[in-house]
Amino acid sequence: KAGVTQTPRYLIKTRGQQVTLSCSPISGHRSVSWYQQTPGQGLQFLFEYFSETQRNKGNFPGRFSGRQFSNSRSEMNVSTLELGDSALYLCASRQQVSGNTIYFGEGSWLTVV
Amino acid sequence: AQTVTQSQPEMSVQEAETVTLSCTYDTSESDYYLFWYKQPPSRQMILVIRQEAYKQQNATENRFSVNFQKAAKSFSLKISDSQLGDAAMYFCAYRSPNTGNQFYFGTGTSLTVIP
Repeated sequence: KAGVTQTPRYLIKTRGQQVTLSCSPISGHRSVSWYQQTPGQGLQFLFEYFSETQRNKGNFPGRFSGRQFSNSRSEMNVSTLELGDSALYLCASRQQVSGNTIYFGEGSWLTVV
Repeated sequence: AQTVTQSQPEMSVQEAETVTLSCTYDTSESDYYLFWYKQPPSRQMILVIRQEAYKQQNATENRFSVNFQKAAKSFSLKISDSQLGDAAMYFCAYRSPNTGNQFYFGTGTSLTVIP
């Protein structure tokens, strides 16, 4: 069974641009959540989607958005990039929102210059 | 929001020795789950062990075991017979049933294994 797949793995963007990251969950998993990981801040929860609906949202500005498709694949978008958005963005999936364990992808490294 | 605290930013252990990583959490909930995840240099987060709060018995997975003290809100990870492959960042996590089953993570402990 394939794991959680994130694309792209690495990308460099310029301040002010926007970026879209993609996540394909484990087959059969319908819940996808996103985390931002930065040194010293650990993992910060961005949002979680289930059945194409956002179920939970972390404390991030509106520049951070996401969506989920009918095949459970998810995308997150960051608009008007700032230097502080440079981070590892991790996607995780579980079967249901009530699922006891989340499984992570390898992450997308975003560098904003 | 729940708070998870890992007070040891860095730890080191000799190969084949035992090391314990600390984690405390703050909650008013009675039923929850606790986790330890490992993040090696590849950055892939891997589940190490999971503990259900309603279970008094400490979880064990091969060389990994936990010391779960519910009243003290403490959840430490013990790694026995440490191996070079155990070198990684370790994150403690709390799953909250009352906030949409959201996961809350600590800031991590970087473990170095000395040959």
